[in-house]
Amino acid sequence: GAVVSQHPSRVICKSGTSVKIECRSLDFQATTMFWYRQFPKQSLMLMATSNEGSKATYEQGVEKDKFLINHASLTLSTLTVTSAHPEDSSFYICSAVQGAQNTEAFFGQGTRLTVV
Amino acid sequence: AQSVTQLDSQVPVFEEAPVELRCNYSSSVSVYLFWYVQYPNQGLQLLLKYLSGSTLVESINGFEAEFNKSQTSFHLRKPSVHISDTAEYFCATRHQGGKLIFGQGTELSVKP
Repeated sequence: GAVVSQHPSRVICKSGTSVKIECRSLDFQATTMFWYRQFPKQSLMLMATSNEGSKATYEQGVEKDKFLINHASLTLSTLTVTSAHPEDSSFYICSAVQGAQNTEAFFGQGTRLTVV
Repeated sequence: AQSVTQLDSQVPVFEEAPVELRCNYSSSVSVYLFWYVQYPNQGLQLLLKYLSGSTLVESINGFEAEFNKSQTSFHLRKPSVHISDTAEYFCATRHQGGKLIFGQGTELSVKP
């Protein structure tokens, strides 16, 4: 199956700093990528949908100025958590789909962000 | 709006026993349904999916799920579980535009 690589797997940062998380599709071109956030013992909550070459579409309640998403190529999307605070600590997961009609999403390994 | 509901947050079971993880969906349009498994601190792996056709779908590791339109269900079953099946399981439906809507998750705990 297709592979999606997410980096880093773990990151610890200080309050007020910014953190960038990368999501790469290694063997296919991802027309759309999705970013999810997962709190402990909870489900995945969609944060935003990212299409290559266009602005991301954010879900209701997600601050677009805080969670910057860039999808500059068909194989790379990045999520930058700006001015991070401890409440931003969470598990962030990306997924990617190939083509508009493709019904299977492939997931990255996730990034554990801890803000201290 | 499309949604999925997983009725059990935790399912403890002994090794080699059968298990069923329940999932119900609501949708007024064509339904694509998925089961994903998540091991601790990892991303999601696709177990199986229903797109169309046969209502019974199987995975390579012994899990199966049956799409039941009249009961709006897509329960996941395995006749005999292993310790290694201990994980979090998510039912999901594909929303228009490609995004997945997840259920709350079911923690399967297999005990020796």
